[in-house]
Amino acid sequence: KAGVTQTPRYLIKTRGQQVTLSCSPISGHRSVSWYQQTPGQGLQFLFEYFSETQRNKGNFPGRFSGRQFSNSRSEMNVSTLELGDSALYLCASGQGARETQYFGPGTRLLVL
Amino acid sequence: AQSVTQPDIHITVSEGASLELRCNYSYGATPYLFWYVQSPGQGLQLLLKYFSGDTLVQGIKGFEAEFKRSQSSFNLRKPSVHWSDAAEYFCAVGGFNDYKLSFGAGTTVTVRA
Repeated sequence: KAGVTQTPRYLIKTRGQQVTLSCSPISGHRSVSWYQQTPGQGLQFLFEYFSETQRNKGNFPGRFSGRQFSNSRSEMNVSTLELGDSALYLCASGQGARETQYFGPGTRLLVL
Repeated sequence: AQSVTQPDIHITVSEGASLELRCNYSYGATPYLFWYVQSPGQGLQLLLKYFSGDTLVQGIKGFEAEFKRSQSSFNLRKPSVHWSDAAEYFCAVGGFNDYKLSFGAGTTVTVRA
């Protein structure tokens, strides 16, 4: 079974721009979560979707948003990029709340 | 609030020696506990998990972890380390109807020949 895939793998943007990252979960998984990883803050939870509904959201500003489609694929969007948004963005999929989350390789975003 | 503490930022171990990584958690209900490993530039790979039952859990790559509720700990161990075990290790906690994982800051393991 194919793992979690994330596109693009690398991205360079400038301040003020917006960006959309994509995540395709493992086949059959309906839960998709997003995490931000930075050297200073570590791994932080952004949000989680299940069957197109956001069930939980982390402590991030409204510039960070996401959605999930009927095929469970998910996108996250960051508007008005700031230098501090430079990070590795990880997507994870699972079958539900009590199930293991499997992570993708991540999208590395650099904001200049 | 849930949280995870990994007291050791960096550990250096000789190849063939044993390894133990510490993890302490804070969680208001029954925790689900995980250990993940991350190689440079890569995503997170699950090593093992604890949901319930036997408190000693076996994982991949020869790793095991022991859940101790009285100490709020979930330490990871490996009897004999290989050079390929050099990576960053993360402990995480979640729970029933908890749709997020809280991660520790990670422990970087260096393996010397």
